Amino acid sequence: QSALTQPASVSGSPGQSITISCTGTSSDVGSYNLVSWYQQHPVKAPKLMIYEDNKRPSGVSNRFSGSKSGNTASLTISGLQAEDEADYYCCSYAGSSTWVFGGGTKLTVL
Amino acid sequence: EVQLVESGGGLVQPGGSLRLSCAASGFTVSNKYMSWVRQAPGKGLEWVSVIYSGGTTYYADSVKGRFTISRDNSKNTLYFQMNSLRAEDTAVYYCAVTRTEYYFDSWGQGTLVTVSS
Repeated sequence: QSALTQPASVSGSPGQSITISCTGTSSDVGSYNLVSWYQQHPVKAPKLMIYEDNKRPSGVSNRFSGSKSGNTASLTISGLQAEDEADYYCCSYAGSSTWVFGGGTKLTVL
Repeated sequence: EVQLVESGGGLVQPGGSLRLSCAASGFTVSNKYMSWVRQAPGKGLEWVSVIYSGGTTYYADSVKGRFTISRDNSKNTLYFQMNSLRAEDTAVYYCAVTRTEYYFDSWGQGTLVTVSS
């Protein structure tokens, strides 16, 4: 299984919106509505932000939203805040009880 | 409150073995799907193994045949037996509750495994 493709870095100013893309294949992202997104601050465990492509767990800000089109999923963060600065990883179920993560995107809040 | 505490990491020589533990509280391990996810230093996340509530296990190709996931229901603890360790297995290993909708919603703090001579 090859890792999903994410941009290495994105940046935005406070209050702006940014979108992180996550490109897979028809065997993973395109086959299942099972993309999840995780936020990871330095030296911390990952935190679930989005599941099943576009669902938000309770307690996660509604500034975070997910979407998908074909083999590409996206995470959008609106109203950027300083605390959003972190690494973000997408993940997709890939069938046969396996999962594949993206390489991660470092978000910088300018 | 769900809590996961990993332990057992450390420095091991190539070819050596190590067993990681993940002590759970706030839920019953045997009723959940549980996974191990690792992260090499400065790198991204990599799913490596899952055990379903029924006991069926699956592994990433990178560890298949070398690593074994298991659980002790009486201790409410998840384990990861790692044999024939290689330098490329060096990583922080996280245990995570895996939902039946195939996402990871609770994570431990991780335990570092370093494979080096």
